[in-house]
Amino acid sequence: NAGVTQTPKFRVLKTGQSMTLLCAQDMNHEYMYWYRQDPGMGLRLIHYSVGEGTTAKGEVPDGYNVSRLKKQNFLLGLESAAPSQTSVYFCASSASGGTEQFFGPGTRLTVL
Amino acid sequence: TQLLEQSPQFLSIQEGENLTVYCNSSSVFSSLQWYRQEPGEGPVLLVTVVTGGEVKKLKRLTFQFGDARKDSSLHITAAQPGDTGLYLCAGPTTGNQFYFGTGTSLTVIP
Repeated sequence: NAGVTQTPKFRVLKTGQSMTLLCAQDMNHEYMYWYRQDPGMGLRLIHYSVGEGTTAKGEVPDGYNVSRLKKQNFLLGLESAAPSQTSVYFCASSASGGTEQFFGPGTRLTVL
Repeated sequence: TQLLEQSPQFLSIQEGENLTVYCNSSSVFSSLQWYRQEPGEGPVLLVTVVTGGEVKKLKRLTFQFGDARKDSSLHITAAQPGDTGLYLCAGPTTGNQFYFGTGTSLTVIP
């Protein structure tokens, strides 16, 4: 089992460019999450999904969109990147709400 | 304003010392989780506390959930260099939202 994987691991964008981060899990989990981690802020929830075809906003959703077309995949999109979106992005999955979350290795994004 | 505040933010201690990390909120949580994160990796779950007043032990780590389920603490006895990392508390709210604390970065010096 690979657990939770994320691609890419590193990315540098220029302001205004777009990109998609891919998260995949092989544990048949219903719930999936996208977080961003900034120094001194812990992890903040961007968007989450409680099942295939569903998405919901988290604490800091502005500037991001997500899709969950397949149960095992959760995509995070940035339509027009801004320097404030420079961060480390983590994807996680869990069997249900409130249960253990399994995290991917993270994607380090820099927006110039 | 963070829903879950942790203190201290940074902690540097000598091997063998004891320490306590605090996680506080003004909101009630149905459960709280503690994770440890090492550099370049995602967080890994250490424990989940569910009942107010609950105490759980994991080797040298002792976790306590406050009676009112608004706070939690992590106590490490005789810290070792392998305990170095970022400790995060986290919990679910109504509506499936999930919040993480601000984190405590622990360094244990050999």
